[in-house]
Order: sequence, then structure tokens, then C-alpha cells
Amino acid sequence: GQSLEQPSEVTAVEGAIVQINCTYQTSGFYGLSWYQQHDGGAPTFLSYNGLDGLEETGRFSSFLSRSDSYGYLLLQELQMKDSASYFCAVRNSSASKIIFGSGTRLSIRP
Amino acid sequence: DAGITQSPRHKVTETGTPVTLRCHQTENHRYMYWYRQDPGHGLRLIHYSYGVKDTDKGEVSDGYSVSRSKTEDFLLTLESATSSQTSVYFCAISDRTNAYEQYFGPGTRLTVT
Repeated sequence: GQSLEQPSEVTAVEGAIVQINCTYQTSGFYGLSWYQQHDGGAPTFLSYNGLDGLEETGRFSSFLSRSDSYGYLLLQELQMKDSASYFCAVRNSSASKIIFGSGTRLSIRP
Repeated sequence: DAGITQSPRHKVTETGTPVTLRCHQTENHRYMYWYRQDPGHGLRLIHYSYGVKDTDKGEVSDGYSVSRSKTEDFLLTLESATSSQTSVYFCAISDRTNAYEQYFGPGTRLTVT
């Protein structure tokens, strides 16, 4: 089987940096994805890590350590619009599908 | 944004009635997915398709069936709706074999009374 764990809620201050962690257990691993979802909206793709290391896309970065079965999403210079839920997801080893974590709700205070 | 639509966007139905949700894409992507989203559970895969007439089960497929007769359309059917199937349903598409980058439709809010 497989499972993903991420914190259910995180609170941060506008302008600060926040890290959302994700640990996973899978029968096979091909990479870790991150998605953002605002309340009432659809999930949108943020980033993907297929190899160890850091991937940077503007204010967002994502990191993967395959040996530790661990990854994180780093959000810098937080803005109020970053208040949303963030999901990590891993690919199932047997088919073209991914499994999502339960999500982390990020709340940002002024 | 990827061209993906879902219909209906909202539906209220009674227990025991059949319901069909439609997902339509204009991107010609090979892979299509149906998820349900419930508080505390994130997104759970119901069924997915890797080509016309090629479908497979996800983690919560009981009580659901799907069909894909054309590349652009993926239908999700609840044969006999139950209150436990009250949820928000999202369709997603991908052109990547490893499925890591998916584009989601706007969702359908289904209420079974």
C-alpha cells in the first residue's frame, strides 16, 4: 500500500516563509507533486520533483529526498492570496495515476 | 488554462436514483481521472482512463462506473446514489504517462438526499 502524511493546518505571517512537509510510503516511487487549492476552487499543479534536490519556481520551491521518503514545499514572501490548501501527491508504481495526501490548510495572518 | 469542463456543476438527487456526471476536454489528453473530495480526505481517485474504452479502478470505485467512448468525454455514473456519495467530484486530465501534472475541471457538487 501507500500513504502520505502532511500537517492538517499551518499558520504563518504575511511576508514570512513557510515550509509544508510531506512524508510518504509507497511500493514504488516515481516522484512527488504539489498542488494548490483555494476554497471553492479546483486544484492547480504547482511543482514536481522526480529527482532529489530543490526545484524553484518563483516564490515557491519544492524539495525531495528519496532516501528519507520526504519532501517539502517552501513558500517565500507570503502573500494573503497564498492562503489555500496544499496537497502532495505520489505516483502509484503500477499505473498512470497519483495518490494525494489529505492536504495542509495554510492560513496567513497580516 | 486547460480546456476542461464538467456538467452539471451542481446537482441534488434522491437516494436510489442513477446519476451521470460528464467531463469534457478539448486538449486531446490521453489520461482522464475522476476524484471525489470530502473534508479530511483530500482527493481520492474513483476511476481513471488511459485511452478510449480503457479504464481502471481507483481507491474508492465501489458504487461507481465510468465510460469513455471518445477521447474528449469521460462519464462517471452512480448506478444508485447513496447519501455517502454526497461530495464534490473533480475531473482531471493529463498528457503525461507518469500523471504527475494534472489539470482539473471546476468540479461538480453532488448532494444525495
